[in-house]
Amino acid sequence: GIQVEQSPPDLILQEGANSTLRCNFSDSVNNLQWFHQNPWGQLINLFYIPSGTKQNGRLSATTVATERYSLLYISSSQTTDSGVYFCAATKSSGDKLTFGTGTRLAVRP
Amino acid sequence: GAVVSQHPSRVICKSGTSVKIECRSLDFQATTMFWYRQFPKQSLMLMATSNEGSKATYEQGVEKDKFLINHASLTLSTLTVTSAHPEDSSFYICSAIGDNRKLFFGSGTQLSVL
Repeated sequence: GIQVEQSPPDLILQEGANSTLRCNFSDSVNNLQWFHQNPWGQLINLFYIPSGTKQNGRLSATTVATERYSLLYISSSQTTDSGVYFCAATKSSGDKLTFGTGTRLAVRP
Repeated sequence: GAVVSQHPSRVICKSGTSVKIECRSLDFQATTMFWYRQFPKQSLMLMATSNEGSKATYEQGVEKDKFLINHASLTLSTLTVTSAHPEDSSFYICSAIGDNRKLFFGSGTQLSVL
């Protein structure tokens, strides 16, 4: 199956800082999504982005499908951004999302 | 939006008993739902794909007789952990595909087996 790796595994930011999270995948994909899991376990869908760039408020994401990576940008981070960020991908010939290893983010006040 | 409701949020049970977890799509119909398991500080592992009106598809290594899945309607899937053991203790999460192929999750169920 497809391999999905994320970096960095852990990240500590001061409130107001910007950050970039990376997701590498081992195969061509037809589906890539970013999620945020809050400290209580709830997963929120941030982006559906198999290719191109999208923005939603302080968050934006870019997927370069030909180079098999996706980036999630967080600007002006807030303490409520803390939690774990997962990317998940489906290979073009498959139908199931495979989740990456996650990036654990802590934003300090 | 696409709201997925999961119940209960937390359950504690004795070894040998069975526990049922419900997953409902509140504002959309879901012909397919997914059940995941997550251990502390780890990623999500797909357990099975639940298909409305047909048998679930289980991932390799997941015991279908232990983790019973029923998807009897377009808005409800249930996961029953039968004859629970302490090693079944985990965080279980359901999800469904909503608008534009986006995956939406329930709030999860923390199962503790004593």
